[in-house]
Amino acid sequence: QKEVEQNSGPLSVPEGAIASLNCTYSDRGSQSFFWYRQYSGKSPELIMFIYSNGDKEDGRFTAQLNKASQYVSLLIRDSQPSDSATYLCAVVQGGKLIFGQGTELSVKP
Amino acid sequence: SQTIHQWPATLVQPVGSPLSLECTVEGTSNPNLYWYRQAAGRGLQLLFYSVGIGQISSEVPQNLSASRPQDRQFILSSKKLLLSDSGFYLCAWSPLGGSNQPQHFGDGTRLSIL
Repeated sequence: QKEVEQNSGPLSVPEGAIASLNCTYSDRGSQSFFWYRQYSGKSPELIMFIYSNGDKEDGRFTAQLNKASQYVSLLIRDSQPSDSATYLCAVVQGGKLIFGQGTELSVKP
Repeated sequence: SQTIHQWPATLVQPVGSPLSLECTVEGTSNPNLYWYRQAAGRGLQLLFYSVGIGQISSEVPQNLSASRPQDRQFILSSKKLLLSDSGFYLCAWSPLGGSNQPQHFGDGTRLSIL
C-alpha cells in the first residue's frame, strides 16, 4: 500500500467549476497535512496546510481533513485556467514528509 | 522574509563526471534543510535532510552525498554521476521546530546526464 495516494488524473473541469482533489494516507498517527501546487517545469509551491479535523479555507481554496477516514482533500472554487497544474498532497509520517504522486488538474476555458 | 536560492537552474553533465549543487537560505536561522529528487512524471523522493551544521541524514543509498558547511548552506555532491541520476533536484527548508513545519522549495536544478 502506498503511503500517500492520489489519483493521477488528469482531472478536467470547466472554468468556474469546483475542482475536488483527494488524497488518502496510511499512517493513522499523521498530524500534519500539506497541499502543494506544481506548474509544469517548476518547483512545488505550498498553498495550504491543515492540522485539525474539519475544513480550513483560504480564498478560493478549502482543505478538508478527516483523520478517522485517513482522508484529506483540496477544493478549488471558481476554478481558473491559471489553476491548471499538478497538485501534490504531502503528509508527515514517521517524522518525514511523504508526498503523493500528484493529481494533474486541467481547467478548460 | 525568507528566500531560498538554488543553482544552477539547469545542468548537463557526462556520465562519470562530478556534481556539486548548492542551496542557500536567507532570512532565517537554524533551518531544517532537505534535498529531494523528482524523476520525470514521478513524485518527490527525499534524498537527504539536515537539522544543523554537519548533521546529515541519508534516506536512500546511492552515489550522492550532502554536506552542510554553514547554517544556511546545503550542498549536494557526487564523485561520479550515473545515467540514473538525471532528474529535477529540489532543495527545501523548513523552520526549526520539527517535521510538522511546512517545507518551502527552491526553484530546482534540472540535471541531465549524457
